Amino acid sequence: GAGVSQSPSNKVTEKGKDVELRCDPISGHTALYWYRQRLGQGLEFLIYFQGNSAPDKSGLPSDRFSAERTGESVSTLTIQRTQQEDSAVYLCASSLSTSAPYEQYFGPGTRLTVT
Amino acid sequence: AQSVTQLDSQVPVFEEAPVELRCNYSSSVSVYLFWYVQYPNQGLQLLLKYLSGSTLVKGINGFEAEFNKSQTSFHLRKPSVHISDTAEYFCAVSEEGSQGNLIFGKGTKLSVKP
Repeated sequence: GAGVSQSPSNKVTEKGKDVELRCDPISGHTALYWYRQRLGQGLEFLIYFQGNSAPDKSGLPSDRFSAERTGESVSTLTIQRTQQEDSAVYLCASSLSTSAPYEQYFGPGTRLTVT
Repeated sequence: AQSVTQLDSQVPVFEEAPVELRCNYSSSVSVYLFWYVQYPNQGLQLLLKYLSGSTLVKGINGFEAEFNKSQTSFHLRKPSVHISDTAEYFCAVSEEGSQGNLIFGKGTKLSVKP
């Protein structure tokens, strides 16, 4: 079956511009996570969605970052007024549930370069 | 605060040699432990996981890992590596009672040479 998909795969933007990154989770997966992977670093948790509950935004690095999810489907991560330190690979993962730490399935990521 | 430390950023090894990639974590509560692999230009793939029970877990591609609670470690091992094992390996934990978000180490690049 189809895995987690993300678009675009690559995005180059100028400093100060806004960007939107999209994630399509596996159908039926209620939990969705966004992570950021900066060069030479591990993945950093950004935000978590579970069904229709309020998202856990505790990992967002600044108020320039926001994310939305429509029900249990597509999610969009928006970065406003991008800065060079936002350059990273942004990864999305989905999971069946969080009642136990079920396996998270990762998308291929979006590589964001801010010039 | 919870954290994951991968002691080696790079591990070069010859083909058919054994390898161990080290992972230590810190947490004040029970944890679940994972190893993910990222092949060049590909996404993350789960290698293996420890949730409970036997402390020795086996994963895909001949990898295994052992959970040592007293040493707060979860080292990854393979008795004989192949060229195709060249990749970056990430150790990750999630805490019991959390929402499942993973805390990752910085990764270990395994380079297998002929």
